[in-house]
Amino acid sequence: GQQLNQSPQSMFIQEGEDVSMNCTSSSIFNTWLWYKQDPGEGPVLLIALYKAGELTSNGRLTAQFGITRKDSFLNISASIPSDVGIYFCAGLTPRDDKIIFGKGTRLHILP
Amino acid sequence: KAGVTQTPRYLIKTRGQQVTLSCSPISGHRSVSWYQQTPGQGLQFLFEYFSETQRNKGNFPGRFSGRQFSNSRSEMNVSTLELGDSALYLCASSLDREGYTFGSGTRLTVV
Repeated sequence: GQQLNQSPQSMFIQEGEDVSMNCTSSSIFNTWLWYKQDPGEGPVLLIALYKAGELTSNGRLTAQFGITRKDSFLNISASIPSDVGIYFCAGLTPRDDKIIFGKGTRLHILP
Repeated sequence: KAGVTQTPRYLIKTRGQQVTLSCSPISGHRSVSWYQQTPGQGLQFLFEYFSETQRNKGNFPGRFSGRQFSNSRSEMNVSTLELGDSALYLCASSLDREGYTFGSGTRLTVV
């Protein structure tokens, strides 16, 4: 079945550093979504991408829909303590419109 | 406007019992999707309902079922509970397959 490979699995960074994570697949997707999940809560949508090559920003977050439609990345600039959490990528499959999630990237910020 | 509401937040059941979880989508949203989240498997798609019809289904056994009412509220039922069904169950609503908004989830523990 279709899978999303999200990397890295976890990251330890210093406050103020930039962060980059990505998702790749052997299958193409129509839509890429990036979510953040805090403990005990549901994922919250950060950025949605609907067109190949699209680059979208939301504050300090920037995400791109890969030109091949098989990948996407998320960058966070100048990280702050509240960025801690698990980040998920998700793709909408063109064949049957299912949302497939990556396994998540757990972001830790060192004091 | 109110977000996605899931009830109950926490539930403890014993093996063999059945359980019903409820999800009230954002007003005006007609699509409701359900996901199971476990540490080992991540977020796995269960099913999606749109205008009271199941539009998509994941790869879960028939013990997992759902329905959607005319006011778009949705329920998910799991029969003959197994220990492995312990998970966070999340529902997400959208207008129609864009910008899914998640609820806070129902944490089900099967003992």
